[in-house]
Amino acid sequence: NFMLTQPPSVSESPGKTVIISCTRSSGGIAHTFVQWYQQRPGRSPTTLIYEDSQRASGVPDRFSGSLDISSNSASLTISGLEAEDEADYYCQSYDSDNLVVFGGGTKLTVL
Amino acid sequence: QVQLVQSGPEVREPGASVRVSCKASGYSFSNYGITWVRQAPGQGLEWMGWISGYNGNANYQQKFHDRVTFTADTSTDTAYMEVRSLSFDDTAVYYCGRDRGPLTPEGIDYWAQGTLVTVSS
Repeated sequence: NFMLTQPPSVSESPGKTVIISCTRSSGGIAHTFVQWYQQRPGRSPTTLIYEDSQRASGVPDRFSGSLDISSNSASLTISGLEAEDEADYYCQSYDSDNLVVFGGGTKLTVL
Repeated sequence: QVQLVQSGPEVREPGASVRVSCKASGYSFSNYGITWVRQAPGQGLEWMGWISGYNGNANYQQKFHDRVTFTADTSTDTAYMEVRSLSFDDTAVYYCGRDRGPLTPEGIDYWAQGTLVTVSS
């Protein structure tokens, strides 16, 4: 199986743009779709991005997903940072045996 | 609107079993799957497995394969997760989510509120 590696934490100021990476350890990042989830403190996760770059229903266009084949990674970009974006973010994909893998999560601090 | 509602918190002793339910509404149950995820205190999300709402087929993460069983009752649009031989390490919030895939897992689009399972002697 493979692993998805995320930075443990990132921080940025309100109004700025932050990028959270998710690097796949083996197999191509484009081999299976990547999803992104947000979990605010004390809350259930919610879905932000599915199928690499599709925004889930109701998700503002400040959130976008993309792939970088050269670095075998997926990225979640959040522009126009707001205080309410402070949360944990998780990437997720699956292997050819339909077993799901989560990244370890990234804690976003809005300074 | 799509809604997933889980059963309430549970406390069990080590070695016991627990069953958590996940009641779905607002969509056609058989057109989607249900994924189960758990989160230990202060830790990240851990995928446990998935069950098809279409045919009841299930995939399990290897570490849970012998202790966990998923079922799906299409007559009540309710999914169940049973965990046996509980240990202290099983203390966690357990989440179900509607999975976009009816035949293979494709990712969660709607999440339930979670169920806290505490294993304590």
